Amino acid sequence: EAGVAQSPRYKIIEKRQSVAFWCNPISGHATLYWYQQILGQGPKLLIQFQNNGVVDDSQLPKDRFSAERLKGVDSTLKIQPAKLEDSAVYLCASSFNGVTQYFGPGTRLLVL
Amino acid sequence: GQQLNQSPQSMFIQEGEDVSMNCTSSSIFNTWLWYKQDPGEGPVLLIALYKAGELTSNGRLTAQFGITRKDSFLNISASIPSDVGIYFCAGLPGGGSQGNLIFGKGTKLSVKP
Repeated sequence: EAGVAQSPRYKIIEKRQSVAFWCNPISGHATLYWYQQILGQGPKLLIQFQNNGVVDDSQLPKDRFSAERLKGVDSTLKIQPAKLEDSAVYLCASSFNGVTQYFGPGTRLLVL
Repeated sequence: GQQLNQSPQSMFIQEGEDVSMNCTSSSIFNTWLWYKQDPGEGPVLLIALYKAGELTSNGRLTAQFGITRKDSFLNISASIPSDVGIYFCAGLPGGGSQGNLIFGKGTKLSVKP
């Protein structure tokens, strides 16, 4: 069974630029999550989707971050404009039961 | 908000030794998950615990869901060099929104051959 796919694996941008990340969850997993992981810390939930609907986006900085899952399968997370403090690993995870989550390899973002 | 206290922060052990790490909270959790993260990779699920008192093994790994539902531990027996990495506990709070896992800060394990 293929795991969660993410791209790109690495991205370097300058502050105030825009960036987008893509995630393809495990086939059949209705729930999809985006996390931000700052160096030395555990992942922090940004947004949770159930099929193509948002379940929880309470910790998403909506002034600069947006995410969509239009067809209920793959998803994109966008940052516009990026700030220095957005440098982190962005992890996508999916779940078949809404509890047990399987993570992708992550996208490492560096904002200069 | 709810927090998980994961300890120890880091461990340096000799190959062959046993390892124990734990997570505690002042709040009740419905599910405990243990993940391992290698450098440059995403967390990989090791063990999932769904009931208070549950004890589950996965090879050399054993994890338990505390009876009080406020803690969990992970043991690794006879450590080997490939056990190196960061281990995270994650819990699903009781009464919280489904899937809103809370993560500990991780335990960094180093193994000397």
